[in-house]
Amino acid sequence: DADVTQTPRNRITKTGKRIMLECSQTKGHDRMYWYRQDPGLGLRLIYYSFDVKDINKGEISDGYSVSRQAQAKFSLSLESAIPNQTALYFCATSDPRTGRDEQYFGPGTRLTVT
Amino acid sequence: GDSVTQMEGPVTLSEEAFLTINCTYTATGYPSLFWYVQYPGEGLQLLLKATKADDKGSNKGFEATYRKETTSFHLEKGSVQVSDSAVYFCALSPGGYNKLIFGAGTRLAVHP
Repeated sequence: DADVTQTPRNRITKTGKRIMLECSQTKGHDRMYWYRQDPGLGLRLIYYSFDVKDINKGEISDGYSVSRQAQAKFSLSLESAIPNQTALYFCATSDPRTGRDEQYFGPGTRLTVT
Repeated sequence: GDSVTQMEGPVTLSEEAFLTINCTYTATGYPSLFWYVQYPGEGLQLLLKATKADDKGSNKGFEATYRKETTSFHLEKGSVQVSDSAVYFCALSPGGYNKLIFGAGTRLAVHP
């Protein structure tokens, strides 16, 4: 079973709709992240959370919000979707207690806004 | 601010060819450096990493050396396989912050 799961895997929605992307992890990590991937731009950080009560904006947080419902769950919402939010979205986790910096990624959610 | 620059792709090679994907970075302090790989339809996986100058990361025949003097972390493999076809991302983590800054990614296509 995958350690980091994302739902849905694919979603098509219309401009102006509210949509939520969900991420769950079984790794027991405190830190969770949301990225979006656009061709030629790599991955850019949207929001990150170092624990349930600590949520921070990333590089491109405008138009997005997040909720950390539990250590294992971190959701990303688009309050009013627009076409330039069409992208591949990744959730990731990390554990600073290991002394290593690597992050572990989910399989991604492909979002299309028409 | 901190940033990562990778060579543009796509890179197209024949099987058993030598691979180099260039990566340079700009950072204050002493970042950790990573290469992640994304196979078609999948999320990113850590390929290798180095945490200090002159460290060499290696995995699955891939290698990269942390060169502080040239601020580089080039990815190399002596003999690529079709199964290495993927997108490769260079990334850095600013010291102590556990956040990743990614390059744009380089697509590699290996043909038989």
